[in-house]
Amino acid sequence: EAGVAQSPRYKIIEKRQSVAFWCNPISGHATLYWYQQILGQGPKLLIQFQNNGVVDDSQLPKDRFSAERLKGVDSTLKIQPAKLEDSAVYLCASSFGGRSNEQFFGPGTRLTVL
Amino acid sequence: AQSVTQLGSHVSVSEGALVLLRCNYSSSVPPYLFWYVQYPNQGLQLLLKYTSAATLVKGINGFEAEFKKSETSFHLTKPSAHMSDAAEYFCAVRFSGTASKLTFGTGTRLQVTL
Repeated sequence: EAGVAQSPRYKIIEKRQSVAFWCNPISGHATLYWYQQILGQGPKLLIQFQNNGVVDDSQLPKDRFSAERLKGVDSTLKIQPAKLEDSAVYLCASSFGGRSNEQFFGPGTRLTVL
Repeated sequence: AQSVTQLGSHVSVSEGALVLLRCNYSSSVPPYLFWYVQYPNQGLQLLLKYTSAATLVKGINGFEAEFKKSETSFHLTKPSAHMSDAAEYFCAVRFSGTASKLTFGTGTRLQVTL
C-alpha cells in the first residue's frame, strides 16, 4: 500500500514570495490534515479536511495561508506572501476514520524562507 | 486547558539500557493517546496507541506504554535500547470533543550511546 505522498521535499524562497505544497493521501482515506512543525516543536494542526470539506481551520493564518482539497483526494497548501517565521516542515497526514483515528504521515516539505 | 507535556527535550541512554520517555496530559476525561517516532528527514510513524482498552499497550520495535489515569500519564518504555532507536519521539493526544484533532507534545530527542 502506498503511503502519503508530498512534494516538493524541500523549498527555499525569499520572504514575500508565494509557495505551494502538494499532498496525495492514502487511497480511501477521507480525512486529510496539514500540520506545521517548527524546529524544536511538535506538529501543530493547520487545517483538517473531511472529504473536500473543512472540519477545522482554527489555527490556519488565513491572511496568508490557504488550502484546498478538490474532489476529496489531493490537497494543496499555499502561502502568500511568505514570512520568515513560516520556515518549518509542513506535514500532510491522512486517516480512514473510526474511533482510534490512526493518522499516517507523509515525509513532509521543509520550507526555508530567507 | 487541555495540554500535553513531555518532560525532557533530550534523553541519553546507553545501548542496552532502559528507555523511559515521559508524557503527561491535562484533561478531566481520559483521551486517546499516541506515541509517534520521527527519524531525520522523515514523517511521523505511529509506535502505539491507547484507545480505552488495555492500559498497557504494546507497540512496534519493542516499545510499550502504560496509561495511568490517576497520574494522567502515558510514559513510553523499552527494556533495552538499541542504536537504531535514536530519533525524536512525540506524544500526541486526541481530547474528548475535538473530533479527530491531535495535540502534540514538544517532543523528546532520544540519543543512544555505546
